[in-house]
Amino acid sequence: GENVEQHPSTLSVQEGDSAVIKCTYSDSASNYFPWYKQELGKRPQLIIDIRSNVGEKKDQRIAVTLNKTAKHFSLHITETQPEDSAVYFCAARSRSGYSTLTFGKGTMLLVSP
Amino acid sequence: GAVVSQHPSRVICKSGTSVKIECRSLDFQATTMFWYRQFPKQSLMLMATSNEGSKATYEQGVEKDKFLINHASLTLSTLTVTSAHPEDSSFYICSARDRRTNEKLFFGSGTQLSVL
Repeated sequence: GENVEQHPSTLSVQEGDSAVIKCTYSDSASNYFPWYKQELGKRPQLIIDIRSNVGEKKDQRIAVTLNKTAKHFSLHITETQPEDSAVYFCAARSRSGYSTLTFGKGTMLLVSP
Repeated sequence: GAVVSQHPSRVICKSGTSVKIECRSLDFQATTMFWYRQFPKQSLMLMATSNEGSKATYEQGVEKDKFLINHASLTLSTLTVTSAHPEDSSFYICSARDRRTNEKLFFGSGTQLSVL
């Protein structure tokens, strides 16, 4: 099955700096890669996603890049704000079975004012 | 975006009792719903995949007789933790896949289960 590795596990930045979170996946057949933001005690919220036919996608301060050859994808947050502080999960969807998402272990992002 | 409602948000029960958790898609039909367990500061661990009108598919190591899943309609799935024990205490969260896109996953707000 799919295996998703996510790094770093924690990331501390100053307000205004950029933050980058990286994930690798194992199944070359995976074709959908969403990113979720989870604040403490709350539900994960989809913040951006990318499909395997696209190399990059941007939504305001958030961007995701995908390298299919290397099987890795990254989340980029620019001009970070304290409210960006949360745990971020990457995920990959395999085409096999019920197309379940496999999640990375998460990155706790702390943005200091 | 689509809304997934999960109830209850928090439940405390005695050891040996059963607890039912509901997951509803409010404004879309979900042919597939997923149940996860999340320990503090850890990732989402998939427990089972629930398809409307058929038996749930459980992940390896998850006891299907202990975690009963019913997906009776396109908008409702339930997870029943039977004969709960303290080690079952955890944050349980459901998600539903929008039938229209068959791709995007939306999460419920989660249920914090504490078994005394």
